[in-house]
Amino acid sequence: EDQVTQSPEALRLQEGESSSLNCSYTVSGLRGLFWYRQDPGKGPEFLFTLYSAGEEKEKERLKATLTKKESFLHITAPKPEDSATYLCAVVNAGNNRKLIWGLGTSLAVNP
Amino acid sequence: NAGVMQNPRHLVRRRGQEARLRCSPMKGHSHVYWYRQLPEEGLKFMVYLQKENIIDESGMPKERFSAEFPKEGPSILRIQQVVRGDSAAYFCATYRGEQETQYFGPGTRLLVL
Repeated sequence: EDQVTQSPEALRLQEGESSSLNCSYTVSGLRGLFWYRQDPGKGPEFLFTLYSAGEEKEKERLKATLTKKESFLHITAPKPEDSATYLCAVVNAGNNRKLIWGLGTSLAVNP
Repeated sequence: NAGVMQNPRHLVRRRGQEARLRCSPMKGHSHVYWYRQLPEEGLKFMVYLQKENIIDESGMPKERFSAEFPKEGPSILRIQQVVRGDSAAYFCATYRGEQETQYFGPGTRLLVL
């Protein structure tokens, strides 16, 4: 059965303190791995799509990487506005592109 | 959220009433997914629709829940005879056929009293 596990569940950082979030997955034929950000009371906001091991993508202070078993979301010098829940999801080959989600990492960045 | 619209944003129903949730895709998007997010749980797939067709409803409860995406108008998720356990945030996501990325609406938060 396809499964996504995110760690840690919650993370508190000081402004400027870099860290990484982990997303481990088990999937029968990875079609894509997705990172989203969700703020309280809002819908998930798309950040990155990764398709194959070794791929990396960057956007401002965020960088996502992918191996055959896991993905990392690296946050460099975070700011308070980076506080949110970060969600990881996968799509496997042949399942109608439905997203299978992890439970997320709740990130708080203190000024 | 990238132009996907959902309404209402908040919906309060009493047990036994019906709830209708609407989703208008981004322009050019003809694929709609519905997901449910329960408190303390992750997002769960419910149903996948294209215009006038249900492609995959494997995540939707067999009883009381139905979905449609007519040729004209928004996609609708309908919950009949709501129970307290239906209280959740319901999100729709849409994408164009040639892209993998699903873009989400702001959600409808359903509260069943």
